[in-house]
Amino acid sequence: QVQLQESGPGLVKPSETLSLTCTVSGGSITNYSWTWIRQSPGKGLEWIGYIDHSGNTNYNPSLKSRVTISVDTSKNKFSLKMRSVTAADTAVYYCARYSSGWYFDHWGQGTLVTVSS
Amino acid sequence: DIQMTQSPSSLSASVGDRVTITCRASQNITNYLNWYQQKPGKAPKLLIYAASSLQRGVPSGFSGSGSGTDFTLTISSLQPEDFGAYYCQQTYSDPVTFGGGTKVEIK
Repeated sequence: QVQLQESGPGLVKPSETLSLTCTVSGGSITNYSWTWIRQSPGKGLEWIGYIDHSGNTNYNPSLKSRVTISVDTSKNKFSLKMRSVTAADTAVYYCARYSSGWYFDHWGQGTLVTVSS
Repeated sequence: DIQMTQSPSSLSASVGDRVTITCRASQNITNYLNWYQQKPGKAPKLLIYAASSLQRGVPSGFSGSGSGTDFTLTISSLQPEDFGAYYCQQTYSDPVTFGGGTKVEIK
């Protein structure tokens, strides 16, 4: 059974870079696409972007200028970097597998990132 | 961006009730529509994909229907463990977008 686990700092200062990693276990990271989603406290779900099995990326236009998603196949991990964060970026960040059937079928448990000085 | 509108935003129903949640897309998304259930403090869980296909391991009391712009998630007989928030999602075109959610409460 595929499992995903997010890791990274829970507190980031305004204007700095948020960095998260998602470790995939129980299966290979190759041949799939992988995605990040966030959920602000008490709010709905916002898609951040994805990286496919070829390393191609696509980002939400609302975040595109600040976001980079990358993959390390040797470590079965993929990562999210978000630059110049503000309090509005405070959210629970989820990583997930983006199935070839066009749905997110496996999710990490989520990690809360707070942007505050 | 394709806007996804869910209704109602919340509902309260009794165990055994039939519950219906609707989702409307701002343009034709054929059947690129998925449904997720989220319990408090947990990650969303895939229930239905491609509008009407039941994800493996999901109880058969959940069903989805629709195509084009109008979709429905139905819980045939509400169970105590069905509380939580339900979200629709379109993956027809990027950016992927979600509906605002429907919070289901057990009376």
